[in-house]
Amino acid sequence: GEDVEQSLFLSVREGDSSVINCTYTDSSSTYLYWYKQEPGAGLQLLTYIFSNMDMKQDQRLTVLLNKKDKHLSLRIADTQTGDSAIYFCAVSTDKLIFGTGTRLQVFP
Amino acid sequence: NAGVTQTPKFRVLKTGQSMTLLCAQDMNHEYMYWYRQDPGMGLRLIHYSVGEGTTAKGEVPDGYNVSRLKKQNFLLGLESAAPSQTSVYFCASSYKGGATGELFFGEGSRLTVL
Repeated sequence: GEDVEQSLFLSVREGDSSVINCTYTDSSSTYLYWYKQEPGAGLQLLTYIFSNMDMKQDQRLTVLLNKKDKHLSLRIADTQTGDSAIYFCAVSTDKLIFGTGTRLQVFP
Repeated sequence: NAGVTQTPKFRVLKTGQSMTLLCAQDMNHEYMYWYRQDPGMGLRLIHYSVGEGTTAKGEVPDGYNVSRLKKQNFLLGLESAAPSQTSVYFCASSYKGGATGELFFGEGSRLTVL
């Protein structure tokens, strides 16, 4: 089945850029998503990218997709303390498969 | 703006007890899902439903049962709880399924089995 991997932790200084990485195994994935989970809450969709795109930008968020390497990344520019959360990538086949989540900690 | 509502939010059970988690959505979504979230393992799909009266197994269905008698409700049952079922359970719904559907999540239900 589909396997989606992320590193578990990332710590950045406020104002710096954060890059969260994700690798997946199924090359037939058509949509790839980034979800954000704040403490004590459910997941919320941040952004998504179609598999025929290489890059998508949405304000402070940039999503890069390397289909050859099956690698997805989320870059957050000017990271703020309010960005502290767990970030999940998810890839779609017939169902949505989530990665393990990356806990982003932003320090002053 | 209720969205997806889960009840209860917290529950402590003894091994062998049974319980039901209720999920309700007011967005007229066809698809509903139950996930469990465990540290270092992300979200794993337990069961899902593609419409009223239908259910299907996900990645980790053993020990759980579900029912979708009404379109807006999706129930997750544990007939005989085990400590391995200690987890945070999330319900989600979507208008479209699979590849193109954005999932809307509830706030989660934390279950502890002693």
